[in-house]
Amino acid sequence: DVQMTQSPSTLAASVGDRVTITCRASENINSWVAWYQQKPGKAPKLLLHQASRLESGVPSRFSGSGSGTEFTLTISSLQPEDFATYSCQQYHGASRTFGQGTKVEIK
Amino acid sequence: QLHLQESGPGLVKPSETLSLTCNVSGGSITASSFFWGWVRQAPGKGLEWIGSVYHSGRTNYNPSLQSRVTVSADTSHNQFSLSLRSVTAADTAVYYCTRVFSGYYFDLWGPGSMVTVSA
Repeated sequence: DVQMTQSPSTLAASVGDRVTITCRASENINSWVAWYQQKPGKAPKLLLHQASRLESGVPSRFSGSGSGTEFTLTISSLQPEDFATYSCQQYHGASRTFGQGTKVEIK
Repeated sequence: QLHLQESGPGLVKPSETLSLTCNVSGGSITASSFFWGWVRQAPGKGLEWIGSVYHSGRTNYNPSLQSRVTVSADTSHNQFSLSLRSVTAADTAVYYCTRVFSGYYFDLWGPGSMVTVSA
């Protein structure tokens, strides 16, 4: 199975900061990565798929990049509603695996 | 607008079978391009994919759970189900039903159903 390793596990930032979260795959998965946002007590919400394709309705301050084994999610200017946990997910081959999540906290 | 809602017991005894159903409203599970799946999240942990089903009955399972899991689709009732056998405390989690775009990524989620495994 492809393993997804996210870093950091926790990140403290302020409103207006640029935030970058990284996901590394244990093997080449091309661009088959999705990113999710999850707030406490709520279901995850899909933000991007195919590494960089923004879902409809997701603010343009969210962007994704990468291919092969290294992927990043960037929030260009952190807003109060962006404090949440972010998870990557790969969909190369038959199995589906998630990263362990990155919690973005208020500094 | 499509809506997913999980239902089932919130408490299951060890060694028994966990059964959940996801009712889909506002759209049909026979829509092409979509699988239907289950994802769980143990308390304080990350997300774990369990398995997915197409309306034809074709399935895809997490290898680590495959021996204990069945995911099935019921097109007559526009719902799909999860059966997880021989549960232990490690199966305690919030279980989410999801729509899976082309079987790849999870684009719509139900609100989640907390299931506790305890005697």
